[in-house]
Amino acid sequence: TQLLEQSPQFLSIQEGENLTVYCNSSSVFSSLQWYRQEPGEGPVLLVTVVTGGEVKKLKRLTFQFGDARKDSSLHITAAQPGDTGLYLCAGNPISGNTPLVFGKGTRLSVIA
Amino acid sequence: DVKVTQSSRYLVKRTGEKVFLECVQDMDHENMFWYRQDPGLGLRLIYFSYDVKMKEKGDIPEGYSVSREKKERFSLILESASTNQTSMYLCASSFATVEQYFGPGTRLTVT
Repeated sequence: TQLLEQSPQFLSIQEGENLTVYCNSSSVFSSLQWYRQEPGEGPVLLVTVVTGGEVKKLKRLTFQFGDARKDSSLHITAAQPGDTGLYLCAGNPISGNTPLVFGKGTRLSVIA
Repeated sequence: DVKVTQSSRYLVKRTGEKVFLECVQDMDHENMFWYRQDPGLGLRLIYFSYDVKMKEKGDIPEGYSVSREKKERFSLILESASTNQTSMYLCASSFATVEQYFGPGTRLTVT
């Protein structure tokens, strides 16, 4: 069974701080997605990374896919209260035609 | 703009009742999924479907069944609701096995 471990589980920071959350596995994935989920809503796709070493930026969010395609990180610069939510990573198994594997998420709270 | 809708945002049912949760997507996606989400346990896959009239068991199918008679609609059925099925239920669809689009969720309480 492929697993994705996310860390930290919980993070509470002040507005304006920087933070990094991690998504790690011992398995290789063909691609990896990051989602954000706000309370009472479904997850919303933020980004997909496909190539080992790939870096994608979405405003103040920077996503990186590990060289070996086993891990990923999400860095937020100058966090704002609107960044508050549950961040989920999901990996697409190499085996193909298999559902995504989801991590349990990092719950971020940004305090004004 | 992609859209996945779920029939109810909140639902309260009694133990033993049969419960239907409906999901509709307007993106012509082949793949549809049902998850439940519980604190500390993350998203757990219940059932999925890669085509009309096809279904596959996910990680926790016990106590649930599904129906996919039309491409755009995927229904989750709780044959006899129990209190341990109180949860947030999320439906998703995708074109391939990646980049799933989620509905807003149904928060089900079984009393």
